[in-house]
Amino acid sequence: HLQLQESGPGLVKPSETLSLTCNVSGASISSSSYYWDWIRQPPGKGLEWIGTIYYRGSTYYNPSLESRVTISADMSRNHFSLKLSSVTAADTAVYYCARRRVVATSNQYFDSWGQGTLVTVSS
Amino acid sequence: DIQMTQSPSSLSASVGDTVTITCQASQGISDFLNWYQQKAGKAPQLLIYDASNLDTGVPSRFSGSGYGTHFTFTISSLQPEDLGTYYCQQYENFPLTFGGGTKVEIK
Repeated sequence: HLQLQESGPGLVKPSETLSLTCNVSGASISSSSYYWDWIRQPPGKGLEWIGTIYYRGSTYYNPSLESRVTISADMSRNHFSLKLSSVTAADTAVYYCARRRVVATSNQYFDSWGQGTLVTVSS
Repeated sequence: DIQMTQSPSSLSASVGDTVTITCQASQGISDFLNWYQQKAGKAPQLLIYDASNLDTGVPSRFSGSGYGTHFTFTISSLQPEDLGTYYCQQYENFPLTFGGGTKVEIK
């Protein structure tokens, strides 16, 4: 049974770096059929895709965040991580990790999500 | 970026009603379009992938159609448990983008 679980501080000070980890159980992040993504949702607002990592180490980021984002993966621990630097109040959001199925050019979708973790940026 | 415009932003309907949500892409995305349901306090859940394919276990009252820039999501007989917010999402190009969401309320 696949489970994704976000962990990390719920409160981050402005200008500091937000760090979250997604622990994956029930599947290997080394699978070639899946990408592993981060998505966030400010309180009361819609969903924003942050970026993704593939088992070969390739990453893609949302250009709106690219200068501040790093996504990495630890295959031995079967988890992947998000770092977002120089945070402001605008980065306050529920952060989700998710698995994105990528079997072919089509058939790409988020098929499993973590429960989400609220990160508040405040002094 | 491909902009996804959903409408309406909210709606209220009665149990048994047919509900339709539209999603317009700012450029053609073939059928690279998914629909998700998000209930309050929960993560989104996939309902439909590739514009019209029902995910496993999703009730048949949910359906989707469309190609290119215009897409439609329909709930054919609204049930109380369908309360929530629905999002479209494109994967034609990075960055992946979502529609602004449609909040569905039950009268």
